Amino acid sequence: GDSVTQMEGPVTLSEEAFLTINCTYTATGYPSLFWYVQYPGEGLQLLLKATKADDKGSNKGFEATYRKETTSFHLEKGSVQVSDSAVYFCALSEGYSTLTFGKGTMLLVSP
Amino acid sequence: DTGVSQDPRHKITKRGQNVTFRCDPISEHNRLYWYRQTLGQGPEFLTYFQNEAQLEKSRLLSDRFSAERPKGSFSTLEIQRTEQGDSAMYLCASSFSREGLGFRQFFGPGTRLTVL
Repeated sequence: GDSVTQMEGPVTLSEEAFLTINCTYTATGYPSLFWYVQYPGEGLQLLLKATKADDKGSNKGFEATYRKETTSFHLEKGSVQVSDSAVYFCALSEGYSTLTFGKGTMLLVSP
Repeated sequence: DTGVSQDPRHKITKRGQNVTFRCDPISEHNRLYWYRQTLGQGPEFLTYFQNEAQLEKSRLLSDRFSAERPKGSFSTLEIQRTEQGDSAMYLCASSFSREGLGFRQFFGPGTRLTVL
């Protein structure tokens, strides 16, 4: 079945540092890929998505590129802020139906 | 606010009791999803509806779990004879059913269940 594997956290960074959160997936077909974010005390929000190979999703300074050859969708940001502290979930969907999530990676950014 | 709402936000119950949660989706959305999230894990899909029809329910965790969406609007998730292992956050999401209309799933704040 489908699965998503994310790097374990927490990831602790200083403000303005570069961020990478690794995500790899296993799917039987050709999925769409997503990053969701959960800020403390809030619900899950879509951060970015990509629907086909080599697509780059981007939002709020975050980027991720759909790499079919390596089955990866790593999340990056060039300069993190304290307000980026949250839990980040990588997810996939086949056929525009349900989402399969990774376990989540907590990001802690200090001033 | 026209987002997804869930009620109650917190529920504490004793083992063996039945509980029911409600989800009100974004009104224009015809799809509604239920997920469960345990501590330190990502959300796990349970079931989903398109309008009134329950299109997938094989992933419900046991026959103690059931969901309804009788008029294609709000939905309820019921857990009968709760067990301590049912303690989790139960998430609801809604979306349109076609990419052209925006497949993006919008999540509610969740209902946190604690079974004593």
